[in-house]
Amino acid sequence: DAKTTQPPSMDCAEGRAANLPCNHSTISGNEYVYWYRQIHSQGPQYIIHGLKNNETNEMASLIITEDRKSSTLILPHATLRDTAVYYCIVRPGETSGSRLTFGEGTQLTVNP
Amino acid sequence: KAGVTQTPRYLIKTRGQQVTLSCSPISGHRSVSWYQQTPGQGLQFLFEYFSETQRNKGNFPGRFSGRQFSNSRSEMNVSTLELGDSALYLCASSLAAGTGGLYTFGSGTRLTVV
Repeated sequence: DAKTTQPPSMDCAEGRAANLPCNHSTISGNEYVYWYRQIHSQGPQYIIHGLKNNETNEMASLIITEDRKSSTLILPHATLRDTAVYYCIVRPGETSGSRLTFGEGTQLTVNP
Repeated sequence: KAGVTQTPRYLIKTRGQQVTLSCSPISGHRSVSWYQQTPGQGLQFLFEYFSETQRNKGNFPGRFSGRQFSNSRSEMNVSTLELGDSALYLCASSLAAGTGGLYTFGSGTRLTVV
């Protein structure tokens, strides 16, 4: 799986958009970008994933650059409950291995 | 629908003992993966089971083992516990093995070895 680089921590004001960056400069053509988050003492939670087009769901939006070497997860209106560690994971989308390789992620703190 | 259920939620064991953790996947999910999370090493993959067969294994000693039953429920066992085995053990289920990166995690079992 491609290596990812994320800032160790970020702060965001409640109600504002949180933009979490991820660099994955060695991504291969068949690799997807996945985002998970882990709220303290809970299991990771799937947020969103994409290949090359921007994606949006009820939780977040994912913006992938045209060269696919970086991406940004956007939480449009952050709440205190969005405080968590956010993991960017790059891996093939098909049946080529079952493990998720978690890096250190970004600790997002949403402040009131 | 019910999520991934892990039992027990907390566990305290003594060095040298063994422990068995249980995971019930989401109904209809046939793949179960296990992860260990520690402050120093982060989240690390232990193994994955699909259709009662281990499909993938991480870099852990043989003291760590697992199995899956015909109803897809899974157990992991750690023998001869060491202090360093203290961790949050997480189970994740997916529809089938290797289904991209779409997994649902349980809340974990917090194991403390004293």
